[in-house]
Amino acid sequence: QVQLQESGPGLVKPSDTLSLTCAVSGYSISSSNWWGWIRQPPGKGLEWIGYIYYSGSTYYNPSLKSRVTMSVDTSKNQFSLKLSSVTAVDTAVYYCARSEAAGTFFDYWGQGTLVTVSS
Amino acid sequence: QSALTQPASVSGSPGQSITISCTGTSSDVGGYNFVSWYQQHPGKAPKLMIFEVSNRPSGVPDRFSGSKSASTASLAISGLQAEDEADYYCSSYTSSTTVVFGGGTKLTVL
Repeated sequence: QVQLQESGPGLVKPSDTLSLTCAVSGYSISSSNWWGWIRQPPGKGLEWIGYIYYSGSTYYNPSLKSRVTMSVDTSKNQFSLKLSSVTAVDTAVYYCARSEAAGTFFDYWGQGTLVTVSS
Repeated sequence: QSALTQPASVSGSPGQSITISCTGTSSDVGGYNFVSWYQQHPGKAPKLMIFEVSNRPSGVPDRFSGSKSASTASLAISGLQAEDEADYYCSSYTSSTTVVFGGGTKLTVL
C-alpha cells in the first residue's frame, strides 16, 4: 500500500527557507509517476505548488516559481520541497502526493504537515 | 493562473441529489479531460473521488459521478448521506503544464 509522510520544521522564521521532505513507502519513487506538493492555508483552499519526476524534471506554480526548488532522492525513496524567503502568507498545511502523470490527478496523499511562519 | 470557480456552498437533505459546478477556461477545464474532484473532511487530507472527468477510483461509491460540458465540469452526488458532508475541490490540468484547483465548495447535509 502506497503511503506518503511529510516531515520538517513546524515553525519557520520570516525570510528563511522552508524545507520539507516526503518519505514514500510501499512504492518505488522511481516508477513512472510524478510527485507533487500542495498547500492549504488555514481555513482556505488548496494551492498546487509543483511536482517532480524521479529523473529530476519539474513543473512549478508560476506564482511561486522564483522561490521553489524540488528535488528527489531515489536512494532514500523520498522527495523534498524548499521554499525560500517565506512570509506569513506561506503559513499552511503542506501535503505531498502522488500523481499518475504530470498534470493529471493525485491519488495518494500524505497526512499533511502544518508549517507556521513567525518570528 | 486563476483558480477554477466553484460555488462557496451547497446543501441538500439526506437522500437528495446535489451538483457542484467547476468553471474554468479553454486553457484548462475546456481544453483537457484531466479534471479531478477531491473530498476533504475537516483536519484530513483530500481524497480523490473522480479523475479524468468521470472516472471513479476503486472504493468510491457510484453515488458520485462527474461530467463536463465546454469549460464547466460538474460533480453530482445522489442519495446524499451524512458522511458526504465535507469540502469538495475540483482541479484541472492547464495548457502551461501546471495544475489549478478550484476555490472549494462546502457541502452541508441538512
